[in-house]
This record gives sequence, structure tokens and C-alpha cells, in this order.
Amino acid sequence: ETGVTQTPRHLVMGMTNKKSLKCEQHLGHNAMYWYKQSAKKPLELMFVYNFKEQTENNSVPSRFSPECPNSSHLFLHLHTLQPEDSALYLCASSQEQENSPLHFGNGTRLTVT
Amino acid sequence: GQNIDQPTEMTATEGAIVQINCTYQTSGFNGLFWYQQHAGEAPTFLSYNVLDGLEEKGRFSSFLSRSKGYSYLLLKELQMKDSASYLCAVRDSNYQLIWGAGTKLIIKP
Repeated sequence: ETGVTQTPRHLVMGMTNKKSLKCEQHLGHNAMYWYKQSAKKPLELMFVYNFKEQTENNSVPSRFSPECPNSSHLFLHLHTLQPEDSALYLCASSQEQENSPLHFGNGTRLTVT
Repeated sequence: GQNIDQPTEMTATEGAIVQINCTYQTSGFNGLFWYQQHAGEAPTFLSYNVLDGLEEKGRFSSFLSRSKGYSYLLLKELQMKDSASYLCAVRDSNYQLIWGAGTKLIIKP
């Protein structure tokens, strides 16, 4: 149990579908993150929320849309994805201080067909 | 550009010692993290270095040399459960985390 819960664990969707990934953290942290992890590549930061406000959007295509309704919940809404978007999507949380490590969820394995 | 280099894969024997190296070129430095990630699971935090030297935590130790842009993770008394990927990440001057691609460690009996 990492303190960060992601659902679903696996998701297969067609390119015309709309789906959402959910993340919940039970650690009392004030920052939450979405990362994309592809095989043999570094983690790619997608979005950051500090105190529910989005502070980072690393040139992510608009087919990915984040939502942070409160400091414990984070969503990633998916719409008209491409096959190259297939990857492991990781949610993380942390306290907003420089030596604070990230706490990750187990991720959602996304396959776009 | 900013870059973190780690070996792609390493193999070691149960009971032995292995050192996983990480070199970095970043715009500024505000700390280095090591994470462990078992297949299909979340990365979990192992260690944090911000000053030069060795940090020891049980069987795992992490070393940092800021002047050389270099760190290593040392794993002693290897166990089969240590088979995992090990991720190195550096906080740059903007406090952004720059990640390496990870080192897959295979432990053989």
C-alpha cells in the first residue's frame, strides 16, 4: 500500500472513446502529479497541481485533460487518443518542499487500439 | 539540454554487491533521488542526497559527488527480491525533477 491509489489498473480503449483515470492520495500531501512512463524512457511529467491549482503543463496534447477537484483527488480525462499514447500512467503526490520524495500509485496500464 | 545517464541493464549474483551509476548534466542542482520500481508496481523512494558523500540505509547506500555530476546506488547482500528497475532523478535549479531511463537489475541465484 503506497498511500496513493489509482484506478483502473488496466484500460483498453479505442481511439474514439472517452475515459478517465482516477487517483486518490491518503497522505495529506499538497501537490499531485501525472506522469507518463514508456518502456526504456525516462518518466515524462505531464501535469502538476499545487494546492489544487495547475502549475505545470508540459506541452501535453489537449486530448489529455486533468482535473483536480480537491487536494486528495486527481483525474486524467482521455479523449480521441492515439496508439502512441499507450503507456503506463502514474499518479504521484508529495509535500511541496525540495527534499520531499514523490509517492507514486501503481499506475494505469493504458492500451489504445 | 538536461540529461541523466544510467546503464540500461545490469546482472548480479545473489549475495553479492552491485553498484548502479548515475551521471547527470542539469541546469543547477537541488538534490538527487533514487527510486526502486518492481515490474508492474509503483516506483518507491529509496534515498535522497543533496550534499557530497555517502548515505547509508541498511543494505542500500547512495553516494553523491556534485563536482563530478555523479551518483551511485550500492546494494549489498543482494536478494532475489532486489530484482527491479532503479531510477535516478535530479532536481534542477527550477526544482523540476529530471529522470533517468532507469537501470533494470537482474539477480541470478
